Amino acid sequence: AQSVTQPDIHITVSEGASLELRCNYSYGATPYLFWYVQSPGQGLQLLLKYFSGDTLVQGIKGFEAEFKRSQSSFNLRKPSVHWSDAAEYFCAVGAGAAGNKLTFGGGTRVLVKP
Amino acid sequence: DADVTQTPRNRITKTGKRIMLECSQTKGHDRMYWYRQDPGLGLRLIYYSFDVKDINKGEISDGYSVSRQAQAKFSLSLESAIPNQTALYFCATSDPPGLRNTGELFFGEGSRLTVL
Repeated sequence: AQSVTQPDIHITVSEGASLELRCNYSYGATPYLFWYVQSPGQGLQLLLKYFSGDTLVQGIKGFEAEFKRSQSSFNLRKPSVHWSDAAEYFCAVGAGAAGNKLTFGGGTRVLVKP
Repeated sequence: DADVTQTPRNRITKTGKRIMLECSQTKGHDRMYWYRQDPGLGLRLIYYSFDVKDINKGEISDGYSVSRQAQAKFSLSLESAIPNQTALYFCATSDPPGLRNTGELFFGEGSRLTVL
């Protein structure tokens, strides 16, 4: 069965600084990988996804993520954080051939200091 | 209007009561899901349905049941609610994965349930 680990529960970053959120997955085949963001009181919005091709994926709101098969990682990055990026971020892995039942990590809550 | 609508958005109930959470979608997707979110645990899959006649248990289905009334409607029931079912519940939909479609999930805004 697949699994996802997000090692950082909380991250505090200053506005304008760079941000990197870590995600490690376990899955036997080529994974479908996703990053979702949840703003306070809201549902989940897809930031970006990877399923094949270029291992550096661009998403919405200036985010990008890099798939590294050798490290089983799919880390999310943003060069310059805005106050509106304060939210909880979830990494997820989907079973490729069997369907799209996603397994989510525990989430990383990002706080942005002025 | 939202593509995936959940009702109610908030509910407080007592132990032992029967509760139904409803989900409807206008995206035309065949696949629908119910997840629950708990702090530090992310989202965990309760039940999923790949079409109207297909219902499958997820990783935490005990204490829950579902009904797929139509392609657009998928409801989650707690037959006898208990306090550890206090959580934020999300409905989601998707198309099946394929060459162009990676099968991403589209979420409703969530239903917060408190069981006293």
